[in-house]
Amino acid sequence: DVKVTQSSRYLVKRTGEKVFLECVQDMDHENMFWYRQDPGLGLRLIYFSYDVKMKEKGDIPEGYSVSREKKERFSLILESASTNQTSMYLCASSSRPRYSEQFFGPGTRLTVL
Amino acid sequence: QQQVKQSPQSLIVQKGGISIINCAYENTAFDYFPWYQQFPGKGPALLIAIRPDVSEKKEGRFTISFNKSAKQFSLHIMDSQPGDSATYFCAARGNSGGFKTIFGAGTRLFVKA
Repeated sequence: DVKVTQSSRYLVKRTGEKVFLECVQDMDHENMFWYRQDPGLGLRLIYFSYDVKMKEKGDIPEGYSVSREKKERFSLILESASTNQTSMYLCASSSRPRYSEQFFGPGTRLTVL
Repeated sequence: QQQVKQSPQSLIVQKGGISIINCAYENTAFDYFPWYQQFPGKGPALLIAIRPDVSEKKEGRFTISFNKSAKQFSLHIMDSQPGDSATYFCAARGNSGGFKTIFGAGTRLFVKA
């Protein structure tokens, strides 16, 4: 069974803290994605990566960075967490072909106090 | 502006009825239109997808209708069941800009028993 796992289901952090969200996939997928999900806004793409050490900005990259040192792992970093980054964060992966399905992890609900 | 507009925000349907969710897009470069289903506490999962070379795709009780000239597509759930209660996202992916998928805002469907 294909799997995308995220390091935490729930996370509570303080304003200004550096936050790491980890995502691991076991499908040998080339592409990995980070989204945030907010009510009424759907899923918005933060960053994506189509290869190891490669990254591309999505639609809302401000305040975030990413790291992909290994094919199976894609990390999202909040350099200095702010309250407006309280959200559900979803990681996804897909294989290279253009019409391939994205597989999502269960999400991390981050609260920044 | 790459945007996908989804309606309604929420939908209540009687068991056995037809659920209809509509989406509209602007970017004519989009060439892949997936629908994702998300249950509470889970990440979205691909339900059904269509490419614009066909006007309809059916998989079991789920049908996508696609109107290329109007730049609209919709999901029909026939014989809706309480187990279909979930949030549904339409999405669109283009033939440029990497592997970016643009998601609609989501529709919360509740099927009454």
